[in-house]
Amino acid sequence: DAGVTQSPTHLIKTRGQQVTLRCSPKSGHDTVSWYQQALGQGPQFIFQYYEEEERQRGNFPDRFSGHQFPNYSSELNVNALLLGDSALYLCASSPPGGEKLFFGSGTQLSVL
Amino acid sequence: QKEVEQDPGPLSVPEGAIVSLNCTYSNSAFQYFMWYRQYSRKGPELLMYTYSSGNKEDGRFTAQVDKSSKYISLFIRDSQPSDSATYLCAMSKGGADGLTFGKGTHLIIQP
Repeated sequence: DAGVTQSPTHLIKTRGQQVTLRCSPKSGHDTVSWYQQALGQGPQFIFQYYEEEERQRGNFPDRFSGHQFPNYSSELNVNALLLGDSALYLCASSPPGGEKLFFGSGTQLSVL
Repeated sequence: QKEVEQDPGPLSVPEGAIVSLNCTYSNSAFQYFMWYRQYSRKGPELLMYTYSSGNKEDGRFTAQVDKSSKYISLFIRDSQPSDSATYLCAMSKGGADGLTFGKGTHLIIQP
């Protein structure tokens, strides 16, 4: 049983560019959440997707957007990259009606 | 004041010791409490999950939640060098509410 998978594992971009990160949830899970983790900090909630809709959003600007597909997989898009967007981006999934979140290994994004 | 406070450490203890990690929080609406273990820039791994107040035990790990004091703890018995990692507390109000994490405590178990 595969866990949460994310791609790519590492990414280097320059300021102003756009990036798309991908996530496949754990089998049987229907809800996907995205988190940003800066070095030395705990993860910060970006948003949650359920039934292909953004259900809740944290304190992140509109440059951060997402999508969920009918197979429950998800994408995180970040436009107009800033140096401060450099972080580990984590995807987490949870089962129907469940509160436990299971995380992937993350995508390490470096913005130069 | 941050919503969740956690001492970042590092906390260094000898192998076999009992480890105590804790977090305090300010939002009384939190109902779900979790502890995650994270190795060196990998994804967090769920260790313990508790709803509301009380204790929960799983092997060498015990989680305690005291909602009246807004204080949660994780105890690790018979600590091993492989327990060396960053431990993150997390909590939520439930539903679509995202998890609010502490900064994490860096734990080092000395052989």
